[in-house]
Amino acid sequence: EPEVTQTPSHQVTQMGQEVILRCVPISNHLYFYWYRQILGQKVEFLVSFYNNEISEKSEIFDDQFSVERPDGSNFTLKIRSTKLEDSAMYFCASSESSSGDSYEQYFGPGTRLTVT
Amino acid sequence: GEDVEQSLFLSVREGDSSVINCTYTDSSSTYLYWYKQEPGAGLQLLTYIFSNMDMKQDQRLTVLLNKKDKHLSLRIADTQTGDSAIYFCAESIYGGYNKLIFGAGTRLAVHP
Repeated sequence: EPEVTQTPSHQVTQMGQEVILRCVPISNHLYFYWYRQILGQKVEFLVSFYNNEISEKSEIFDDQFSVERPDGSNFTLKIRSTKLEDSAMYFCASSESSSGDSYEQYFGPGTRLTVT
Repeated sequence: GEDVEQSLFLSVREGDSSVINCTYTDSSSTYLYWYKQEPGAGLQLLTYIFSNMDMKQDQRLTVLLNKKDKHLSLRIADTQTGDSAIYFCAESIYGGYNKLIFGAGTRLAVHP
């Protein structure tokens, strides 16, 4: 069964460093998302991406964050200068569509980011 | 505003039914979802319901939606120890490119 994959599973970085989190969405999906879950808190929406551009972003997704689909399979989240409060589990998700019968949004296993 | 609330903990005996409840505030919700998260794992989509439906059944899972009260529930019949996990309720907002708004999650503990 197709699934969303994410690498690495755990990333440790020092404050101020840049990190890139990688995701491979399900192959026929067109909509891509990043969410994060700070330990003990709710899963929060960061950004949605369609047709090679951001379709919506949350207040969390400030200038330190960027997303890219560098090729036909990968979807990346970059944090330019990490802060301690960026420590969280980051989930990538994808869906076939945003309408009709394809509202199912499938999540990857997550990347745990630890900023020291 | 957009908000989803869930009770934080539920404990049931193996073989009993579990009912996990959720309330949401946004009346423009289109789809409502239930996700399961096992320890150290990602979010597994269990089921979802369109906002113009009242009920959806899928094997041991029954979703009930009361749109007037903005109340969603997930019933798990014949609960097993493998059902122990955190269950998240989520809503998608019409016109929001399907971003999901999650509740805090209900931890289900199944004991013998």
